Amino acid sequence: EDQVTQSPEALRLQEGESSSLNCSYTVSGLRGLFWYRQDPGKGPEFLFTLYSAGEEKEKERLKATLTKKESFLHITAPKPEDSATYLCAVPSYNQGGKLIFGQGTELSVKP
Amino acid sequence: GAVVSQHPSRVICKSGTSVKIECRSLDFQATTMFWYRQFPKQSLMLMATSNEGSKATYEQGVEKDKFLINHASLTLSTLTVTSAHPEDSSFYICSAHTRTGDTEAFFGQGTRLTVV
Repeated sequence: EDQVTQSPEALRLQEGESSSLNCSYTVSGLRGLFWYRQDPGKGPEFLFTLYSAGEEKEKERLKATLTKKESFLHITAPKPEDSATYLCAVPSYNQGGKLIFGQGTELSVKP
Repeated sequence: GAVVSQHPSRVICKSGTSVKIECRSLDFQATTMFWYRQFPKQSLMLMATSNEGSKATYEQGVEKDKFLINHASLTLSTLTVTSAHPEDSSFYICSAHTRTGDTEAFFGQGTRLTVV
């Protein structure tokens, strides 16, 4: 069964304190792993797509990496505006694009 | 990225009435759209897959007669919550893929439904 698990559930950082969020996945055939950012009361905002182990993508203070079993979202020197819930998802192998989401990591960055 | 517009962003309705939520792909055609429900502090729960020109596919446990989905064009899918009750109060979100078979999804802004 396709499954995505994120850790930690919540993460509190001081401004400038770098850290990483984890996304572990089990899927029959990986067709991409997606990271989204969700602010309260908003829909998820697309951040990254990773397709193969070893791939890395960066956007401002965020860098996403992928291995055969998990993905990391590294946050370097975070700012309060990075506070949000970060979701990762993988498409189900045989269900026409249906995304399997992790529970999300709620990140809070204090000034 | 591609733009998906959802309307309304907030709606309050009386118990027993119906509410329609629209999801539009603004700069691309979407043969498939997805409808999610999200409870506070929880992740997205897929409700149904909306297919243009055909019947929607509902996830197990989702009432087809309560959550009516229509996907009449390549840029518009609607979700109608019929005979709404307070327990239907939730955050509803739609998503669409930019190409058939492409797995990258873009999401609408979400609709906060409150049934009083």
